Amino acid sequence: EDQVTQSPEALRLQEGESSSLNCSYTVSGLRGLFWYRQDPGKGPEFLFTLYSAGEEKEKERLKATLTKKESFLHITAPKPEDSATYLCAVLEGYDYKLSFGAGTTVTVRA
Amino acid sequence: DGGITQSPKYLFRKEGQNVTLSCEQNLNHDAMYWYRQDPGQGLRLIYYSQIVNDFQKGDIAEGYSVSREKKESFPLTVTSAQKNPTAFYLCASMPRGNSGNTIYFGEGSWLTVV
Repeated sequence: EDQVTQSPEALRLQEGESSSLNCSYTVSGLRGLFWYRQDPGKGPEFLFTLYSAGEEKEKERLKATLTKKESFLHITAPKPEDSATYLCAVLEGYDYKLSFGAGTTVTVRA
Repeated sequence: DGGITQSPKYLFRKEGQNVTLSCEQNLNHDAMYWYRQDPGQGLRLIYYSQIVNDFQKGDIAEGYSVSREKKESFPLTVTSAQKNPTAFYLCASMPRGNSGNTIYFGEGSWLTVV
């Protein structure tokens, strides 16, 4: 069964139209939740790490939040250069298993 | 500079052949991971390792094998048993411990079956 589920699969936004991406997880012993950005044909680019419920982090137009069951990535007033696939990953357990969700592909139109 | 090096970047495999993808890191990281990514999809975990001479199967380990004889090296062999190996393969590493965990990725390897 999926341990990390991202929604929606795809998101088309007009420039300046704020929105949120969701990452829900069902793991025990969460050690950390990560958000990454990936452009086509390239490796993932680090955005945020969150460790405990209630934690929030911001970077430019992006803000990530964490609860006990899910995380949100808020994109405020997006620009076309924010178009990418956004990946969520969770680190769990004594053996440090690191699992990724399927990603949300964001397209921002000018 | 510290980082993760994957090689080769592009690899072509004939049906029935085994191929090995290299992953080397000089970051002194304990944890290393292999992922497979198919077009338009996320990263799926193949194998991972926390210490030398120990590794665990991920979600899609069938048809793959790994070894961890040295801390800095975690090669992945794609065997002939893997029915659909054409994909983008990513190696990653991270330090253990809960503070400042950041995942480091290699540049990836593109494997194509011909």
